[in-house]
Amino acid sequence: GNSVTQMEGPVTLSEEAFLTINCTYTATGYPSLFWYVQYPGEGLQLLLKATKADDKGSNKGFEATYRKETTSFHLEKGSVQVSDSAVYFCALRGAGGYQKVTFGIGTKLQVIP
Amino acid sequence: DAGITQSPRHKVTETGTPVTLRCHQTENHRYMYWYRQDPGHGLRLIHYSYGVKDTDKGEVSDGYSVSRSKTEDFLLTLESATSSQTSVYFCAISDPLPSGGGWEKLFFGSGTQLSVL
Repeated sequence: GNSVTQMEGPVTLSEEAFLTINCTYTATGYPSLFWYVQYPGEGLQLLLKATKADDKGSNKGFEATYRKETTSFHLEKGSVQVSDSAVYFCALRGAGGYQKVTFGIGTKLQVIP
Repeated sequence: DAGITQSPRHKVTETGTPVTLRCHQTENHRYMYWYRQDPGHGLRLIHYSYGVKDTDKGEVSDGYSVSRSKTEDFLLTLESATSSQTSVYFCAISDPLPSGGGWEKLFFGSGTQLSVL
């Protein structure tokens, strides 16, 4: 079945540092890939997505590129802010018809001033 | 924000008691989902619904049942709560894109923190 692997963290960075959160996946065909973010006390919300190989999703300074050859969708941001402190989930939806969304375990990011 | 309301927001109950969590949406979405969130496991799908009275199991459905008698309401019942069901429960909605080119993003409620003592 489909699966998503990401580190649980926590990841602690100083403000303005560069962020990378790695995500790799296992799936057949060409799934759609997502990053969701969860701020404290809230539900998840979509941060960015990519639906085909070599697509780059971007939003709020975050970027991730769909790499079919390495089955990866790493999240990056050039300069993090304290307000980026949250839990980040990598996820995929399988290709074809109805396919449930499979989530990684979530990576907690803490940004300190 | 999508109109999704979960109730209650917090609940403490005792082992062996039945518990029902409610998800209410005002978006008229066909698909509704119940997830649980646990450290080290991320989000796992419990049950989902693809229409009124149409439901199916997810990956962790044992000990849970669901019902959907109206488009807007999706109920999750723990038939006899156990300590292993202490978790944060999220409802989500999503629908296929009208163009047929994929799916909308998942919209999540704010969650229900359930503690089973």
